[in-house]
Amino acid sequence: AQSVTQLDSQVPVFEEAPVELRCNYSSSVSVYLFWYVQYPNQGLQLLLKYLSGSTLVKGINGFEAEFNKSQTSFHLRKPSVHISDTAEYFCAVKTEAGGTSYGKLTFGQGTILTVHP
Amino acid sequence: DADVTQTPRNRITKTGKRIMLECSQTKGHDRMYWYRQDPGLGLQLIYYSFDVKDINKGEISDGYSVSRQAQAKFSLSLESAIPNQTALYFCATSDRTGRLQYFGPGTRLTVL
Repeated sequence: AQSVTQLDSQVPVFEEAPVELRCNYSSSVSVYLFWYVQYPNQGLQLLLKYLSGSTLVKGINGFEAEFNKSQTSFHLRKPSVHISDTAEYFCAVKTEAGGTSYGKLTFGQGTILTVHP
Repeated sequence: DADVTQTPRNRITKTGKRIMLECSQTKGHDRMYWYRQDPGLGLQLIYYSFDVKDINKGEISDGYSVSRQAQAKFSLSLESAIPNQTALYFCATSDRTGRLQYFGPGTRLTVL
């Protein structure tokens, strides 16, 4: 079974500072990796995804993440945050379905990013 | 227009009441999912459906039932709501590869 751990439940940061939101996963098979963002009182929006290819993935709003297979990590980074980046961020891992099995999408617990002026 | 819609967006109900949450999609996807979100727990899968005749339980299906009325519609029912079912509920869809799921805006349910 796979699992996802987001190492920080809350990350406060000042505007224009860099930020890293950490995500580690465990899985015995190959995975697809995702970061979703949930703005206050809104639904989930896909920020970026790693399906294959380059391990450095760029997403919307200036975010990027790097897939590190040896460390089983998929940390999210942004070099300079804005007030509007204040939201909850979810890391998610999906395995490839095999035969009749369902390739489950497993979410981390979420990290609340608060950007202060 | 949104590709995945959920109704209602907010609902307050009382213990013991029957509640139905509805999800519709215009993406033409075969697969649909229901999740609940609780603070500090991320999202947990309640039920999923690969097509109209294929419905499966997820991690936390107790107390819930679903109906796949058509390819585009997937409803979640709480037969007798209880307070610990207070949560934010999300519907999602994906194509047959299942690699990428698209989420609806969520329904905030409060059971008093």
